[in-house]
Amino acid sequence: ETGVTQSPTHLIKTRGQQVTLRCSSQSGHNTVSWYQQALGQGPQFIFQYYREEENGRGNFPPRFSGLQFPNYSSELNVNALELDDSALYLCASSPGGVGMNTEAFFGQGTRLTVV
Amino acid sequence: GESVGLHLPTLSVQEGDNSIINCAYSNSASDYFIWYKQESGKGPQFIIDIRSNMDKRQGQRVTVLLNKTVKHLSLQIAATQPGDSAVYFCAEMQGTYKYIFGTGTRLKVLA
Repeated sequence: ETGVTQSPTHLIKTRGQQVTLRCSSQSGHNTVSWYQQALGQGPQFIFQYYREEENGRGNFPPRFSGLQFPNYSSELNVNALELDDSALYLCASSPGGVGMNTEAFFGQGTRLTVV
Repeated sequence: GESVGLHLPTLSVQEGDNSIINCAYSNSASDYFIWYKQESGKGPQFIIDIRSNMDKRQGQRVTVLLNKTVKHLSLQIAATQPGDSAVYFCAEMQGTYKYIFGTGTRLKVLA
């Protein structure tokens, strides 16, 4: 167990809808990152939050947005869902701050299917 | 762009034998690397990490080797067990905030 929990575990949405995925990080972990993992691929970095501020973003459009809260929880929001958004979405938390290289602890993921 | 790749998509190993999973990275400035194990339906699980000022690091039944000259990582698993069956990813820290993952190698342990 990594102490990182995600909800829901599975979700089915229709193209064009909006979705919010949730993550609860380990207590004391100030950094949370979100990744998208397509079937048969490695995780792709979406963005990272440190102390409630976005401090890095991957090659994802603005319809992917996030929030981090003081209670170590965070959200990933995706607007105008597309079929290609179907994937496993992973949340990872780490104790390090910006510039600190530390391991990231992953949740079990949310499997999103867009139909 | 920078990427982390893996040489073998699938590796089949006899139970009890040693496994070696390889990974190439392209950013010579990277200074932190992690190996993750991902079982079906689960998130990646940390196995072992290594910093660029080291060539080798050992854990319990696992060893990671780093060859900075050729930008190559390997994960060695001793006495491979059925529970080791999973997909293994190497990840390279890029900049100060994100990991770049490869496609992964599926390890199959044969009884």
